Amino acid sequence: GIQVEQSPPDLILQEGANSTLRCNFSDSVNNLQWFHQNPWGQLINLFYIPSGTKQNGRLSATTVATERYSLLYISSSQTTDSGVYFCAVELPGTASKLTFGTGTRLQVTL
Amino acid sequence: DAGVTQSPTHLIKTRGQQVTLRCSPKSGHDTVSWYQQALGQGPQFIFQYYEEEERQRGNFPDRFSGHQFPNYSSELNVNALLLGDSALYLCASSLVLGLDYEQYFGPGTRLTVT
Repeated sequence: GIQVEQSPPDLILQEGANSTLRCNFSDSVNNLQWFHQNPWGQLINLFYIPSGTKQNGRLSATTVATERYSLLYISSSQTTDSGVYFCAVELPGTASKLTFGTGTRLQVTL
Repeated sequence: DAGVTQSPTHLIKTRGQQVTLRCSPKSGHDTVSWYQQALGQGPQFIFQYYEEEERQRGNFPDRFSGHQFPNYSSELNVNALLLGDSALYLCASSLVLGLDYEQYFGPGTRLTVT
């Protein structure tokens, strides 16, 4: 089956720092989503980004489908950015079935 | 615009018992998927319902079953509970519209099996 690897697995930042999270996937995908899971377990949609670049405030994401990776940029990090970040992919022919990556655990400190 | 809702929030069951979890999709969505998230891991796909039928299924035993109602809400049933079934159960909804399948997740039900 498809492998979805995220790096780094853990990241500690000081408030105000910038970071880049990476998602590599081993097969062609139809769609890709980025989520932030808060400490209570809620998965919050960040980006739906099968290809190209999108920006939303301090966050932006880029997916290069032909090279099988996606990047999530967090600028001017805040303590509320802490949590686990997942990328999830949808394989061709598996509408709405997501395969999640290994996750990046982010801790932002004062 | 109501998001995805799940009930109950928390549940404690004993090994061998049966449990039913409930999910209401985001307004306007017609497809419901269920995921299991064990502690420290990413969510794993259990199955998906569309038009009241199971459309896709992950690598989970038959003890896991589900149902979708005409109003698109869904239930997940787990029989003969095992300690290993302890997890966060997440429901996601989406709309089959062209090729846009963006998923939205509910807050989850945390199941503890003792």
